[in-house]
Amino acid sequence: DVKVTQSSRYLVKRTGEKVFLECVQDMDHENMFWYRQDPGLGLRLIYFSYDVKMKEKGDIPEGYSVSREKKERFSLILESASTNQTSMYLCASSFGGPGTEAFFGQGTRLTVV
Amino acid sequence: AQTVTQSQPEMSVQEAETVTLSCTYDTSENNYYLFWYKQPPSRQMILVIRQEAYKQQNATENRFSVNFQKAAKSFSLKISDSQLGDTAMYFCALSQGAQKLVFGQGTRLTINP
Repeated sequence: DVKVTQSSRYLVKRTGEKVFLECVQDMDHENMFWYRQDPGLGLRLIYFSYDVKMKEKGDIPEGYSVSREKKERFSLILESASTNQTSMYLCASSFGGPGTEAFFGQGTRLTVV
Repeated sequence: AQTVTQSQPEMSVQEAETVTLSCTYDTSENNYYLFWYKQPPSRQMILVIRQEAYKQQNATENRFSVNFQKAAKSFSLKISDSQLGDTAMYFCALSQGAQKLVFGQGTRLTINP
């Protein structure tokens, strides 16, 4: 089975902290994605990556950065956490090519206090 | 820009009934893919069904089927003989070219015993 693993299920951080959310996939997928999920807004794309060391901004990249040093790992970084970044964060991966299924991690519920 | 709209924030039906979830979308492309994803209380997002826009035939997966109306840009999901395990958030999503998904706001479906 494809597995996408996010390092934490729940996380509480203080305002101004630098926060790292880690995601690892075990299916040699080219594509990896970070989404943010908020009630009434669905999932919104923060950043995505098509290959190692490659990244592209999604729809809401402000306040975030990413790192992909290895194919299987995609990290989301909150440079200076703020309370409006309290949310559910979902990582996903997929093979390259159109219409391929995305596989999701179980999400990290981040609370910034 | 691509957009996906789900106009039903919540729905509730009795077990064994049939339920239809609505989704409309907007894209300027001719070649794209549409998806329904399910997120149960466990938070693990899984693919329910996929439709390729150039295929006129509606996709089906066991109790799940879609009504794809390309001209109207409508993509509804029908769940027949609903089961308690169908209780979840359902997200409609669109992808084209770059494989990144654009999601709707979600519909929370509750199946009552």
